[in-house]
Amino acid sequence: GIQVEQSPPDLILQEGANSTLRCNFSDSVNNLQWFHQNPWGQLINLFYIPSGTKQNGRLSATTVATERYSLLYISSSQTTDSGVYFCAVQVNAGNMLTFGGGTRLMVKP
Amino acid sequence: NAGVTQTPKFQVLKTGQSMTLQCAQDMNHNSMYWYRQDPGMGLRLIYYSASEGTTDKGEVPNGYNVSRLNKREFSLRLESAAPSQTSVYFCASGTETLNTEAFFGQGTRLTVV
Repeated sequence: GIQVEQSPPDLILQEGANSTLRCNFSDSVNNLQWFHQNPWGQLINLFYIPSGTKQNGRLSATTVATERYSLLYISSSQTTDSGVYFCAVQVNAGNMLTFGGGTRLMVKP
Repeated sequence: NAGVTQTPKFQVLKTGQSMTLQCAQDMNHNSMYWYRQDPGMGLRLIYYSASEGTTDKGEVPNGYNVSRLNKREFSLRLESAAPSQTSVYFCASGTETLNTEAFFGQGTRLTVV
């Protein structure tokens, strides 16, 4: 099956700093989503981005499907950005999401 | 809108007991999914249902059964719980096509002792 790798696995930032999270995948995909899992365990949809670039406030994402990677940018980080960020992809042959291992982000005040 | 609703939120079972996790969505989605998340890991698919009346195995189906009761509801059953099934269980729903955006419930934290 498809492999999804996220980097870095852990990240510590000072409030106000910027960061880039990366998601690499091993095969062509029809769909890619970014999620934020908050400290209470809730999965929050950030972006549905099979290709191109999207922005939502301080967050933006870019997917280059032909090169099999996606990037999530967090600017001016806040303590509420802490949690785990997951990338999940959907391949052509099925309709299930395959998750990466996540990036655990801690933003310090 | 409620979105995807799971019950219960927490459950403790003894080894060998059975239970059913309930999931309902009000977004008129055709596809529904059950995932499990073990500590420090991403989510893994247990079963999914592409449409009412159909179910398929995911990556880790052993020890589980599912029922797509109607378009809104998708339940997950543990017939004989084992400690290895201690996990957080998430239900999700999405549109019917391959290019589906999935939405998740709040999760059920299950402990099997």
